[in-house]
Amino acid sequence: QVQLLQSGAEVKKPGASVKISCKASGYTFNSYTIQWVRQAPGQGLEWMGWVNPGNTKTRYSQKFQGRVTISGDTSASTAYMELSGLRSEDTAVYFCARLGSSCFDFWGQGTLVTVSS
Amino acid sequence: SLELTQSPSMSVSPGQTATITCSGDKLGNYFTSWYQQRPGQSPILVVYQDSKRPSGIPERFSGSTSGDTASLTISGTQAMDEADYYCQTWDNSAWVFGAGTKLTVL
Repeated sequence: QVQLLQSGAEVKKPGASVKISCKASGYTFNSYTIQWVRQAPGQGLEWMGWVNPGNTKTRYSQKFQGRVTISGDTSASTAYMELSGLRSEDTAVYFCARLGSSCFDFWGQGTLVTVSS
Repeated sequence: SLELTQSPSMSVSPGQTATITCSGDKLGNYFTSWYQQRPGQSPILVVYQDSKRPSGIPERFSGSTSGDTASLTISGTQAMDEADYYCQTWDNSAWVFGAGTKLTVL
C-alpha cells in the first residue's frame, strides 16, 4: 500500500530555515511527482510546489519562489521541502502528496511547523 | 490567476443530499478533484477527473461539472461525512484549491 511518512514537528525562530522529509513506500518513487501543500491554522490548503524524482525537475508557486527548495533522493525514496526566511505567517501544517491521475491521490500525515521567537 | 469559489459552510440532515459547489473562470478547462478533510487529519481524495471515485470511497460521493461550476454531491449523508471539503484544479502552471466548505450534518 502507498504510504507517505513525514518527519516530526518543528519549532523555529523567525529568519531560520526548516527542512521536512517525506518518505514514500509501496510504489515506484521515480514514477510520480511529489507535491507540497501547507495549511495555516484554521485556513485552507495552499499549494507550494513539486519535484519530479525521476528527472529532478521542480516547479514552485510564485508565492514561495526564492524561499522554497523541493528535492528528491531516489536512493532513499524521500522528498524534501526546505523553506527559508521563516516568519510567523509560515506557522502551518505542511503536507506532502503524490500526484496521481490529475489529482493528489495519497497524502502524508502532515508536519506542524511553528515559527515563534 | 484562477480563484475557485466555494460557500464557506452548509448543513444537511442525516440521510439527505448535500451538494457542494465550486466555481471559477475556465474551471472546465481542466479536471476538478475534491478532497475531504476531517479535523486534525490529512485530506482524502473523494473525487478525481471531475466525476471518478477512488477505490474505497463510498458510492454516495459523486462529482460533476457544468460550465464553470463543479459539484460534489453526497447522497444519503451520514454523520461521518461531516468535514471540510476542498475543490482543486490546475491553472496557469499551478495547482489551485478552493477555500473549502465546512459541511455540518445535524
